[in-house]
Amino acid sequence: RKEVEQDPGPFNVPEGATVAFNCTYSNSASQSFFWYRQDCRKEPKLLMSVYSSGNEDGRFTAQLNRASQYISLLIRDSKLSDSATYLCVLGGSGNTGKLIFGQGTTLQVKP
Amino acid sequence: DTEVTQTPKHLVMGMTNKKSLKCEQHMGHRAMYWYKQKAKKPPELMFVYSYEKLSINESVPSRFSPECPNSSLLNLHLHALQPEDSALYLCASSQGEAGDTQYFGPGTRLTVL
Repeated sequence: RKEVEQDPGPFNVPEGATVAFNCTYSNSASQSFFWYRQDCRKEPKLLMSVYSSGNEDGRFTAQLNRASQYISLLIRDSKLSDSATYLCVLGGSGNTGKLIFGQGTTLQVKP
Repeated sequence: DTEVTQTPKHLVMGMTNKKSLKCEQHMGHRAMYWYKQKAKKPPELMFVYSYEKLSINESVPSRFSPECPNSSLLNLHLHALQPEDSALYLCASSQGEAGDTQYFGPGTRLTVL
């Protein structure tokens, strides 16, 4: 079983749609969780950290469910500029700076 | 300011060449990282430096040689690379090491002929 699993998509949605991505992880000792966004041929950029209490940043909401070991990202009112690959990322357990990346979910927002 | 800079942006080299990639951050971060990313794959960790000391080497071939001259700079020296080493090389930094948010530079797109 992969340490982090994501549906690679692509998710094709119309502008204005609400879309949700889920990510499951296998290591219950993981301490930190992130969503990164990566545009084609660019570097990953932090979208948001994910907390058990859930967090929201404008149109983006992230949730962490430790009991079921999954993380979600909800995007409301999708824009064309939201088209990208969304990487689910875990901070390694213990004292290491190693990040564990999911394979990424590709989102295409169509006019 | 969460900026990590990398030079060059693009590099084409032959298999007998020696070249270096450079990375710089001025955020006072104490951990710096090198990643390799192939098309349609997530980044793969190569090296971690923590407080200017190499703390993780993910069994990277010796033709890649990292160097951390000071807390703001990270280099990756390349020698006798293979065509399959062609990829996007990303540098990242974080405040500390364990579980901190990592900020990525724009990467160097390397082509080995």
